[in-house]
Order: sequence, then C-alpha cells, then structure tokens
Amino acid sequence: DGGITQSPKYLFRKEGQNVTLSCEQNLNHDAMYWYRQDPGQGLRLIYYSQIVNDFQKGDIAEGYSVSREKKESFPLTVTSAQKNPTAFYLCASYDWLSGANVLTFGAGSRLTVL
Amino acid sequence: GQQVMQIPQYQHVQEGEDFTTYCNSSTTLSNIQWYKQRPGGHPVFLIQLVKSGEVKKQKRLTFQFGEAKKNSSLHITATQTTDVGTYFCADAGGTSYGKLTFGQGTILTVHP
Repeated sequence: DGGITQSPKYLFRKEGQNVTLSCEQNLNHDAMYWYRQDPGQGLRLIYYSQIVNDFQKGDIAEGYSVSREKKESFPLTVTSAQKNPTAFYLCASYDWLSGANVLTFGAGSRLTVL
Repeated sequence: GQQVMQIPQYQHVQEGEDFTTYCNSSTTLSNIQWYKQRPGGHPVFLIQLVKSGEVKKQKRLTFQFGEAKKNSSLHITATQTTDVGTYFCADAGGTSYGKLTFGQGTILTVHP
C-alpha cells in the first residue's frame, strides 16, 4: 500500500537535545510538508519542499531544520533552539503535478520534552 | 497573513442531532478543503470546494462554499458516534500547492 510512514510515533526528549523525526513516502509525490499541531490551534506549517534539494520555510520555521536529499524522504530536526517543542508533528505529501490537490498525511509523531 | 477562522471550537451533541461547523475568511478563498481527524489519528481529506456557491454531499455530510468565497460550512445530519473527531477546513490557496492554511478545527463529541 502506498502511504507515508512517520517514525517514531512517540518520542521523549530532554531539554537541550536535538531530535530528528523521520518521514518516508512511497507515493511518488514531489512535494512534502511538515505541520505542527497544538490543541486549539489547528495545523501550522513548519517547512515544505516541492522538489528534491529544495525546501522553503513555513509560518513557524524557527528552531527547526529539514533536508530533502531524496524524493521519498523529508526528515525534520527539532533543535534545542525551539522554545516549546512539545507537540504533535505531521508529515504530508502532495501530488501537485497531477492536479490532485489533496494532502496525504502520515500517522504523526508525538514529541514530549521532559 | 491569510487567516481562516473556524467556529465553534467544541460541539457536543446527542446521537441523532445535527451538527454544523463554519469556516470564515476576511479575504477571498481560492478553494476550500475539509479534513477529518479521528481521536489519536491524522487528518484525512474529505472534500474540496472550488466554485462560488458550490454544494456537495457525501451521504449525511453537506458541504457549502459561500457565494463570495469567503466562508464555508460542513453540516452533518443525524450524527452517529462514528462522526466523532476534529473537522478542519483549509484554504488550499491559489498557486501555493499544498501550502494549506488550516482553521483551528471543531472538535465534535457525540454522546450515545
């Protein structure tokens, strides 16, 4: 089955540590996105990449970094500079080339800072 | 930047009652998408509305896009316990493919 795999599902981090969330897709989508979800605030865009080796900041990029070395992979690093990293992180991909304007989400990674 | 306001934030209904969530924008929306997120799950695409005044139905769900393309609504008739979850609207933008701007979501609880 085609889809998006996020790992780990749950992650605990001590303050001052960087952590990397994995996102892999086998949908052959060119565009990939990272959203952050907090209670009562909907989904906010962190970073996005419309093509390999290129990515753009979203609305809340501070304290985060990404890479896009392969079409299938778009890992997100939550750095120690992120002031409030505890949240639910969602990776998504988008088939914009075919015109099917739909975001497909992974199951998410829940990060808790201790 | 573009903001999409969604109300109400919470809605508790008895099974069988109707439910409506509203999505409003101060600027014209290019097209609007609706997603559903079950508790503990991830958002799943429901529908996209593109045309002014458009109405689409999916079984007990009715989606509307305002004439001025500044608002949208999702109405569920005779709710069931399987309808529980958070419903999000999202401005899908014009050429900003995939850069959706989401509303805050409406959390629906259905009491049996």
